[in-house]
Amino acid sequence: NAGVMQNPRHLVRRRGQEARLRCSPMKGHSHVYWYRQLPEEGLKFMVYLQKENIIDESGMPKERFSAEFPKEGPSILRIQQVVRGDSAAYFCASSPLAGTGLGKGYGYTFGSGTRLTVV
Amino acid sequence: GENVEQHPSTLSVQEGDSAVIKCTYSDSASNYFPWYKQELGKGPQLIIDIRSNVGEKKDQRIAVTLNKTAKHFSLHITETQPEDSAVYFCAAQPQNSGGSNYKLTFGKGTLLTVNP
Repeated sequence: NAGVMQNPRHLVRRRGQEARLRCSPMKGHSHVYWYRQLPEEGLKFMVYLQKENIIDESGMPKERFSAEFPKEGPSILRIQQVVRGDSAAYFCASSPLAGTGLGKGYGYTFGSGTRLTVV
Repeated sequence: GENVEQHPSTLSVQEGDSAVIKCTYSDSASNYFPWYKQELGKGPQLIIDIRSNVGEKKDQRIAVTLNKTAKHFSLHITETQPEDSAVYFCAAQPQNSGGSNYKLTFGKGTLLTVNP
C-alpha cells in the first residue's frame, strides 16, 4: 500500500515559468490537503480538496496559484508565472475522512514533498 | 486565527539524555495537538497526538503533556538515540463540528540533534 506520492521531488523553474506539482493520495483516501514550507518555517495550510471540489482555499495566494483534484488522476497544484518567493517545499497530505484527530494510522498522511526552486 | 509558538528552535543532547520541546497556542478552540517528526528530505510523520480532554499521553519513549489553561503543550523524549535526530513540529487544530477541523497550524520546528 503505497503512501502519498508526490512528483517531481525537485523542480527548478525560471522566473515567469509555470510549475505543476502532482500528488497521488493513498489508496482509499479522497481528501487532499496542500501545505507550503518556507525555509526555516513551519508548514502553512494552502488548500483542501475532495474529488472534483475545492473545499477551502483560504491559504492560497489570490493570484497565480490554483489547485484541482479531478475525478481521475492526481491532485495538481499549479503556480503560474513563478517568482523567487515561490521557492519552497510543497507538501501534500491525504486522509480517508475529512479532517484529522484520529491518531496514528488515520487522519493525515504526508507525502515527501516537492522542492521548488525558482531561479 | 491560531498562532503556535515553538521553543527551542535547536536542541542538542547527548545520547541517553532526555529532550523537551515546548509549544504554546493562542486559540482556545483548538483541542487537538499532534507532533510530527521530519527527517531530511522527507515529509512530516505523525509520532504522537493528544486531545484536550487528556492531560498526558505516552508511547514508549515519547510523551506529550497538555496544559489547556495555560495553552501550553510539550513533547518529551526519553533515552534519546541518534536516530531521534530530526526536525520536530508541533501543531494545533480546532475540532469543532462544522468548523475547519482539518486545518493544522504548525510551529516553526525544533532541530533536535542527538550526539552519540
